[in-house]
Amino acid sequence: RKEVEQDPGPFNVPEGATVAFNCTYSNSASQSFFWYRQDCRKEPKLLMSVYSSGNEDGRFTAQLNRASQYISLLIRDSKLSDSATYLCVVIFPSGSARQLTFGSGTQLTVLP
Amino acid sequence: DTAVSQTPKYLVTQMGNDKSIKCEQNLGHDTMYWYKQDSKKFLKIMFSYNNKELIINETVPNRFSPKSPDKAHLNLHINSLELGDSAVYFCASSQGAGSYNEQFFGPGTRLTVL
Repeated sequence: RKEVEQDPGPFNVPEGATVAFNCTYSNSASQSFFWYRQDCRKEPKLLMSVYSSGNEDGRFTAQLNRASQYISLLIRDSKLSDSATYLCVVIFPSGSARQLTFGSGTQLTVLP
Repeated sequence: DTAVSQTPKYLVTQMGNDKSIKCEQNLGHDTMYWYKQDSKKFLKIMFSYNNKELIINETVPNRFSPKSPDKAHLNLHINSLELGDSAVYFCASSQGAGSYNEQFFGPGTRLTVL
């Protein structure tokens, strides 16, 4: 089983739709979680951190489910500009250090 | 102002050559990274580095070597390039070694090995 798994999509949704992505992780000791956004042929950029109690930033809501070992990203009222690949990031202990792993990304296309 | 910059943006070279990619950050961060993103868009960390510690992903061939002349620069040198090295290489930086706080990525270097 991969350390971090995402549904690659693509998700094609109309403008204004609500869309949700999940990201599962295998290491139950994982400590920190993030969502990054990567536009086509661009670098990844931090979208939001994921906190245990869940957190919201405008139209974006991130949730963590430790029992089932997944994080989710909900986008409400989708805009054309939300079209991108969304990457989840999981950080877990590895020996005395910490290891960061990116998911393979979920591609979202918002259609007019 | 460019926070994390990389040069070159594109690199096309023959198998067996040796090449370097340069990275500079002006954010004052103490930790820098190299990532490889393959054709399937899978982003994998290769190295994380600060003044005190180099952490190497064990799957990275020893043909790849990071070189850091100072805290603001982390270059990537690749010996004996192979076809499978073709990918986009991203440099990134963050504050706090091992903490993996928000990472700021450079624009990427698209390497093609012929």
